[in-house]
Amino acid sequence: EPEVTQTPSHQVTQMGQEVILRCVPISNHLYFYWYRQILGQKVEFLVSFYNNEISEKSEIFDDQFSVERPDGSNFTLKIRSTKLEDSAMYFCASSESAGQGAYEQYFGPGTRLTVT
Amino acid sequence: AQKVTQAQTEISVVEKEDVTLDCVYETRDTTYYLFWYKQPPSGELVFLIRRNSFDEQNEISGRYSWNFQKSTSSFNFTITASQVVDSAVYFCALRPSNTNAGKSTFGDGTTLTVKP
Repeated sequence: EPEVTQTPSHQVTQMGQEVILRCVPISNHLYFYWYRQILGQKVEFLVSFYNNEISEKSEIFDDQFSVERPDGSNFTLKIRSTKLEDSAMYFCASSESAGQGAYEQYFGPGTRLTVT
Repeated sequence: AQKVTQAQTEISVVEKEDVTLDCVYETRDTTYYLFWYKQPPSGELVFLIRRNSFDEQNEISGRYSWNFQKSTSSFNFTITASQVVDSAVYFCALRPSNTNAGKSTFGDGTTLTVKP
């Protein structure tokens, strides 16, 4: 069964460093998402991406964050200058469609980011 | 604005007991989807069910059952004859079906502990 993959599974970085989290969505999916889960808290929406541009973003997704689909398979989340409060599990998701024909979002296994 | 409330922060039961996890939601959208996800200690999000707001039929899948009541904006999840492997955090989520962004709003989660 196709699945969303994410690398790395765990990333440790120092405050102020840039990190790039990578995701490979399911191949025929068109919509891509990033969510964040601070330890012990709820899963929060960050951004959705379709047709090579951001569809929607939350207030969490400030100028420190960016997303990109650099090729036909990868979908990345970049944090330019990490802060301690960026420590969280980051989930990538993809869906075949959204809106009226919505299919469930398939979530990747997550990347645990630890900022020291 | 969307909101999902899971009033039960933690539930502890003994194996073979039945347990119901509550979910109450708020939305102004006329069409939407409701989801339940399981998050085991390993951290990944496991999709359990999607329910369309048009479809109030209850669903049963093995030991799992879901009770969707639009009149009370609730989408409760029951595990029958619980097992130790059911121990996890369970999230209820809501997503509008009239937007291409299709972002999900999650509840705070209910931590279920099933003791042998």
